[in-house]
Amino acid sequence: AQSVTQLGSHVSVSEGALVLLRCNYSSSVPPYLFWYVQYPNQGLQLLLKYTSAATLVKGINGFEAEFKKSETSFHLTKPSAHMRDAAEYFCAVTSFSGGYNKLIFGAGTRLAVHP
Amino acid sequence: DAGVTQSPTHLIKTRGQHVTLRCSPISGHKSVSWYQQVLGQGPQFIFQYYEKEERGRGNFPDRFSARQFPNYSSELNVNALLLGDSALYLCASSLEDRAVGNEQFFGPGTRLTVL
Repeated sequence: AQSVTQLGSHVSVSEGALVLLRCNYSSSVPPYLFWYVQYPNQGLQLLLKYTSAATLVKGINGFEAEFKKSETSFHLTKPSAHMRDAAEYFCAVTSFSGGYNKLIFGAGTRLAVHP
Repeated sequence: DAGVTQSPTHLIKTRGQHVTLRCSPISGHKSVSWYQQVLGQGPQFIFQYYEKEERGRGNFPDRFSARQFPNYSSELNVNALLLGDSALYLCASSLEDRAVGNEQFFGPGTRLTVL
């Protein structure tokens, strides 16, 4: 069975600092991994996805993530944080069983950005 | 292009009542999934429908049911509401149900409060 674990429910950075949000996955098959962002009172927006092509995935808003099979990790990074990056971030893995897809989400990491 | 739309935006019910939530997928998308997001947690998979048929069901009681219409829109029904059903209910659409890594596009959600 697939699962994801997000380390750190809250992360706080200063504007302009590096953002690092951690995600580890468990999967018995090659995983398909996603990062979603949720702004207050909104739905989920896809930041980026890994589907077994390049291990370094670039997404929207300057975010990127690196798939490391040896570490079963898919951490999300951004070189320089902006105030508008303050939101909740979810890592997810696709589970394909019973003939259909579903997303399995981590518990989320709330990112705060301080001036 | 219109994204995934959901109605209503907010809903307040009392215990024991019934609720119907509605979702319209992106034009051309045939698959609709429902997720429940309890405050402070990641979304949990409830149902997936494709071409009006239920493809998958998460670990939710029979009080939860859904259906998909010929125009691919969908309804989620919850009977005998409990306080613990208070959550943000998210609808997601995708082109099909079985393509692993297929992106799911999320709507803004319906915030259900059960008093």
